[in-house]
Amino acid sequence: QKEVEQDPGPLSVPEGAIVSLNCTYSNSAFQYFMWYRQYSRKGPELLMYTYSSGNKEDGRFTAQVDKSSKYISLFIRDSQPSDSATYLCAMSGSGGGADGLTFGKGTHLIIQP
Amino acid sequence: DAGVTQSPTHLIKTRGQHVTLRCSPISGHKSVSWYQQVLGQGPQFIFQYYEKEERGRGNFPDRFSARQFPNYSSELNVNALLLGDSALYLCASSLVLGQGYGYTFGSGTRLTVV
Repeated sequence: QKEVEQDPGPLSVPEGAIVSLNCTYSNSAFQYFMWYRQYSRKGPELLMYTYSSGNKEDGRFTAQVDKSSKYISLFIRDSQPSDSATYLCAMSGSGGGADGLTFGKGTHLIIQP
Repeated sequence: DAGVTQSPTHLIKTRGQHVTLRCSPISGHKSVSWYQQVLGQGPQFIFQYYEKEERGRGNFPDRFSARQFPNYSSELNVNALLLGDSALYLCASSLVLGQGYGYTFGSGTRLTVV
């Protein structure tokens, strides 16, 4: 079993829809949870970051972490064609970053105009 | 303000050869990390350097090595290249040793081993 599981998709939704992306994980030591967006042939770009459990909202994006279920989610409201990209969840423990980030496989999202 | 810059952007090497990839962090950032992203997969952690010292290492063979220079730039070296080393190599910089939210990634070096 991989440490972080993420459905690779593709996930195709019409413009304006609410998108739900999620990851599950097995390592209970993870404390920091991030969502990155990656366009083709580019490096990942940080979208949202959450420490421990809870919700965080930034514009059209909402990140949720449920540590009891080892489940994290990213919601995108009023989706736009420019949101079409691969979305990567990433996690790390509290060891000063020595173990780096553990990423999911990424979900390929397509927003249809 | 310049972001994380990586060079070269693309590279083709033959099996058994050696390769050096370079990374310049954001000005003022003291930590550099390296990741390997195989097509269709998420990035995998290779190394983290802070203040010129190795602070973390992922599950990669000894053919992979890195170093950080006094100006905080970094090199990733891979010896005895295998076909399976073909991937996008990403460098990320951060101000301090962080928990990931402070990382800024470069656009990567795409390495093809033939």
